[in-house]
Amino acid sequence: ETGVTQTPRHLVMGMTNKKSLKCEQHLGHNAMYWYKQSAKKPLELMFVYSLEERVENNSVPSRFSPECPNSSHLFLHLHTLQPEDSALYLCASSQDPRGTSSYNEQFFGPGTRLTVL
Amino acid sequence: AQSVSQHNHHVILSEAASLELGCNYSYGGTVNLFWYVQYPGQHLQLLLKYFSGDPLVKGIKGFEAEFIKSKFSFNLRKPSVQWSDTAEYFCAVSSGGGADGLTFGKGTHLIIQP
Repeated sequence: ETGVTQTPRHLVMGMTNKKSLKCEQHLGHNAMYWYKQSAKKPLELMFVYSLEERVENNSVPSRFSPECPNSSHLFLHLHTLQPEDSALYLCASSQDPRGTSSYNEQFFGPGTRLTVL
Repeated sequence: AQSVSQHNHHVILSEAASLELGCNYSYGGTVNLFWYVQYPGQHLQLLLKYFSGDPLVKGIKGFEAEFIKSKFSFNLRKPSVQWSDTAEYFCAVSSGGGADGLTFGKGTHLIIQP
């Protein structure tokens, strides 16, 4: 596997279900991100993890719960979602440039298409 | 807070036409600027980026973009488009430094007619 992978690619769930999205990066990066892509809206940043610590949470409802057990894996745990949460959820990774002269280029996975019934 | 505005949501061109997609951002500090492309059925890929230095940056597949600081703009250009350039194009900005999330524009859906 190369790049950023996400599983599952498609997920249909009821409002009372609990499910998890998984992201894995094979690029040796130390920062990972969750984004939400809804129809007719810009990609929205949800969570940022750097060195396995959450550094940003963009006021996301608590029914979305991220977990970053190590620098290569990122999860998004879902529970009691609403139909308006149906969207494409994208994971990305980058190398945290702090302390260097580099920049924050992010590499994206293919996304998980989530439908909440 | 940062914001990104892409002026054209849908653009239809014929092959060999020239392309310019507008992008303006609002942020007063140091910025990193990006254009991403999403081909049908594929994931987001980086076309080009601006970090510092020469404001005219060249990316993959013949694309280029010019950073004009005074206009807060980072427009994407290609002198002659191909049918394979049909895709969704996203402009994005980060504040630079640290693992910052990207702020994206709404995207431009580009259709190239053969």
